[in-house]
Amino acid sequence: QIQLVQSGPELKKPGESVKISCKASGYTFTDYAMHWVKQAPGKGLKWMGWINTYTGKPTYADDFKGRFVFSLEASASTANLQISNLKNEDTATYFCARWGTTVDYWGQGVMVTVSS
Amino acid sequence: DIQVTQSPSSLLASLGERVTITCQTSQSISNNLNWYQQKPGQAPMLLIYYATSLQTGMTSRFSGQYSGRSFTLTITSLEPEDIANYFCLQHYSAPLTFGSGTKLEIK
Repeated sequence: QIQLVQSGPELKKPGESVKISCKASGYTFTDYAMHWVKQAPGKGLKWMGWINTYTGKPTYADDFKGRFVFSLEASASTANLQISNLKNEDTATYFCARWGTTVDYWGQGVMVTVSS
Repeated sequence: DIQVTQSPSSLLASLGERVTITCQTSQSISNNLNWYQQKPGQAPMLLIYYATSLQTGMTSRFSGQYSGRSFTLTITSLEPEDIANYFCLQHYSAPLTFGSGTKLEIK
């Protein structure tokens, strides 16, 4: 069955970096784009952008340009999200989500806590 | 950006009751809207895609309709396992935008 399994929770200090992963199984990884979504505590969902898993080309939403990097380990069917120079407002759950004909399968989310 | 206004933000309903949740978009998006169910600590699950299509494996108690810029998710005959947060997503144009969510609880 199709699954997106994300890495575990992270506790970081402001200014540090974090890399979270999203491992896909049950389908051909490079046939489907991967999107990233942020959900801050008590807030709604915010689309961060997506990565073409065939070409590796990322596209970032305006609010996520600069400190955010989408990458791939295609041989491992894994998409990664790296956030550098972490700020308190980066505290959130981050989801990966597959786009086939639509956004269908989601990972379980990774809680990233930024606190000094 | 396309704004998506979802209502209500919370909903108390009785088992067996019919429940309706609405998303209204700020501009026309044709049928490019999905509905998801999210339970605490779990991945969101796709219920309805392209406004009216039931995702494979989902119970037919869920249905979607739309008219113009107004989209509705209906749950017929509420079951205990339907207790969750529900949200919509417009995927007509980037940036993709979400409704603010509806927390459904049992009365």
